[in-house]
Amino acid sequence: EDQVTQSPEALRLQEGESSSLNCSYTVSGLRGLFWYRQDPGKGPEFLFTLYSAGEEKEKERLKATLTKKESFLHITAPKPEDSATYLCAVQNSGGYQKVTFGIGTKLQVIP
Amino acid sequence: EAQVTQNPRYLITVTGKKLTVTCSQNMNHEYMSWYRQDPGLGLRQIYYSMNVEVTDKGDVPEGYKVSRKEKRNFPLILESPSPNQTSLYFCASSSFQGNGQFFGPGTRLTVL
Repeated sequence: EDQVTQSPEALRLQEGESSSLNCSYTVSGLRGLFWYRQDPGKGPEFLFTLYSAGEEKEKERLKATLTKKESFLHITAPKPEDSATYLCAVQNSGGYQKVTFGIGTKLQVIP
Repeated sequence: EAQVTQNPRYLITVTGKKLTVTCSQNMNHEYMSWYRQDPGLGLRQIYYSMNVEVTDKGDVPEGYKVSRKEKRNFPLILESPSPNQTSLYFCASSSFQGNGQFFGPGTRLTVL
């Protein structure tokens, strides 16, 4: 069974204080690993897809990396508007192509 | 504007009264899915569809039905809702398997 574990559950940062969120996963075959941002009361917003170990993607202050067992979302010099819950998900590459989400990391950036 | 729409956004109903939550996307996406989100449990996939007339179960399909007769629409049907189906529901779509999904705004369902 596919599993996704995110840590920490919650993270409080001062504005400008860089940090990383972790996503550990087990999947029989990886079609893709996804990062999303979710604001309270809204649907998740897609950030990145990573397909293979060693891959990296960047968007503004966010950088996502992937190994065979985990992914990191690095946040450089965060701003208060980066406050949100960040979700990690994996999609299985088999004929049974379901998506499994982690519970998320709730990030709060203090001015 | 590219979007996924869901209706209704809020619904309060009673046990056993059949209901349908509609989902529509305007991006010509092949892959669509339904999720429920509960505190402490995160997003869990209910059903997904890889194309018209092709659907499959996710992690929590019990008590739900879906159909995919048209590419743009993917309704979620609760034939006999129960209180444990009280949740926040999201519909999502993507262009093909392995792409990030676009999510709808959510439907908050309460079953009394």
